[in-house]
Amino acid sequence: DTGVSQNPRHKITKRGQNVTFRCDPISEHNRLYWYRQTLGQGPEFLTYFQNEAQLEKSRLLSDRFSAERPKGSFSTLEIQRTEQGDSAMYLCASSLAGTGGRETQYFGPGTRLLVL
Amino acid sequence: AQRVTQPEKLLSVFKGAPVELKCNYSYSGSPELFWYVQYSRQRLQLLLRHISRESIKGFTADLNKGETSFHLKKPFAQEEDSAMYYCALKAAGNKLTFGGGTRVLVKP
Repeated sequence: DTGVSQNPRHKITKRGQNVTFRCDPISEHNRLYWYRQTLGQGPEFLTYFQNEAQLEKSRLLSDRFSAERPKGSFSTLEIQRTEQGDSAMYLCASSLAGTGGRETQYFGPGTRLLVL
Repeated sequence: AQRVTQPEKLLSVFKGAPVELKCNYSYSGSPELFWYVQYSRQRLQLLLRHISRESIKGFTADLNKGETSFHLKKPFAQEEDSAMYYCALKAAGNKLTFGGGTRVLVKP
């Protein structure tokens, strides 16, 4: 499968614990995005990278959230001191910049987080 | 700030009937509009984008800047069209702003 992959697919944690998610984009894609989706809502943008540079962060991304893409390939999203309100599906997407109007974000299957 | 509204949470139609999913947006500039679809147990995938002006799986969508709408239409719904549909806007920058989604149920 050459699509976007995410690990783990599911995570259950206790409030206050730290969690880390990983996203592996499509290999030649230089842009990588993180979104969060809660029940009954559409995905909401969190942050995105072009290569290893984090170019935009949403106000939704509190200080407890940090994302990295150290070598411009895979990315990690860490949530520190998790809260019950962090329970959501975390989606990763990747795209290839420079394709003009044809740039398409391809989504991964998501990581479902449940904070107890 | 940009915003996307999908007023219908659920659309239930019979097979062969027309289906129209509404999408309205607010953005002061020139947006790019997309429809994404998520079939059961599958990931979110692009259905179509307004600049392509193409029909995908029988679906079309026309950008109406005057009404700030990008409604998705199909003249004859099929059972395999049952899915969750999201309208999305890309404004300045590269992030997508999604609507809340519309669940389409096509009954036999």
